[in-house]
Order: sequence, then C-alpha cells, then structure tokens
Amino acid sequence: DTAVSQTPKYLVTQMGNDKSIKCEQNLGHDTMYWYKQDSKKFLKIMFSYNNKELIINETVPNRFSPKSPDKAHLNLHINSLELGDSAVYFCASSQAQRGQYFGPGTRLTVT
Amino acid sequence: AQTVTQSQPEMSVQEAETVTLSCTYDTSENNYYLFWYKQPPSRQMILVIRQEAYKQQNATENRFSVNFQKAAKSFSLKISDSQLGDTAMYFCLSGGSYIPTFGRGTSLIVHP
Repeated sequence: DTAVSQTPKYLVTQMGNDKSIKCEQNLGHDTMYWYKQDSKKFLKIMFSYNNKELIINETVPNRFSPKSPDKAHLNLHINSLELGDSAVYFCASSQAQRGQYFGPGTRLTVT
Repeated sequence: AQTVTQSQPEMSVQEAETVTLSCTYDTSENNYYLFWYKQPPSRQMILVIRQEAYKQQNATENRFSVNFQKAAKSFSLKISDSQLGDTAMYFCLSGGSYIPTFGRGTSLIVHP
C-alpha cells in the first residue's frame, strides 16, 4: 500500500485556470505538509497542518489555499494559475520528528 | 530563521568508493532534528538517515552514516561502497519546532 499518495501526478493547464491537488496518507501521522520544488530543485515549505489545524503558512500567494478535511488528507487548491506556478508540488507527512514521508509529487505545468 | 547550506552543488565518485556530502546549518533551537533525503531521477523523496541533536552518537543506516558536529553545526553524510543506484540529488533537512528547512541539494553521480 502506498504510504503517501498524491493525485494527479501530472497536471497541464492554462494560465488563469483553477486546479486542485489531493494528498492522502495512511501512516496515521498527525502532521502533513505541502512543498514546492522549483526548476533548480529547491524545496520550500508552503503549508503544514497538525491534526487539521494550520501551523505553518509561509509566504505564499493567497491564490494557494490548503484544506485538511481530516488528518489523513491535505489538499491544495490553486486559483488563477500563473506561469510561475509551474513546479513539482510534494505532499509529506510526519509523526513527531521521526522524519517526513513524501508523496510521489505532482508536476504542474502552466501554459 | 533556520538556514541550511550544502556547499557542494555536484559530486562524483567511482563505484565501490566512499564519498562525503557536507551540510552546515544554523538554528536557535536546542531540540532539533537533522535528516538526509535522497531524490533519484524518479523524483521520489526518500528518507536516508535521521539524527537527533541531543544524541552525541552518530546515526548509521547500512552504508550511510553521518558525522554530526553539534558545536560546528555540521552534519555530513558518508556513503560507503557507493553503488550506481546511489546516483541522485541529496538534500539535508533541519527540523524541529521551527519551519523545516532544506538545503539546496548536492547532485551525486556514481560512475561505474
């Protein structure tokens, strides 16, 4: 069974569209994260939730809105997509400080 | 704010040899954790090894070990008996109660 899953793995869309990426973890972890990996491979945290509560909200445009319906799910909705949003988006989960477990990533391409 | 520096953008090593990847960090936390992640071309992020800052003993996982120098804020990764499958990007991560922070990564190529 996949520990952290993301859908879709690839997403190609036009500027101005709204899209969502879904993430689910079956590890029973309390904390979930969204990261953005740019074209130079730099990984930067965007959001983190602990037991459905937002605990980290980095400097991210408010076009990005995370939603955690329960502690096993953390979705990312992006409004009015821009060219600069093209990147790989990773979901991750962790329990205490035992290490984060990552999903396979979603490659978003905005044309 | 935390900072994590990986000063080697690229490294290469011959198969079966040993290579060390460097990482330095800066944090004001007393209780923090350090990790190394591997990202092969498949782009999956894989946890390689974990070190708790309050433990003096260096962590080891099979061919992977760390040299943790707390006073120097250094956390290097040693890969012994390098294998072709070790070819990947390697990222150092500093975590704790603050915002988890990745270094910019080191691209490691293992040559046959």
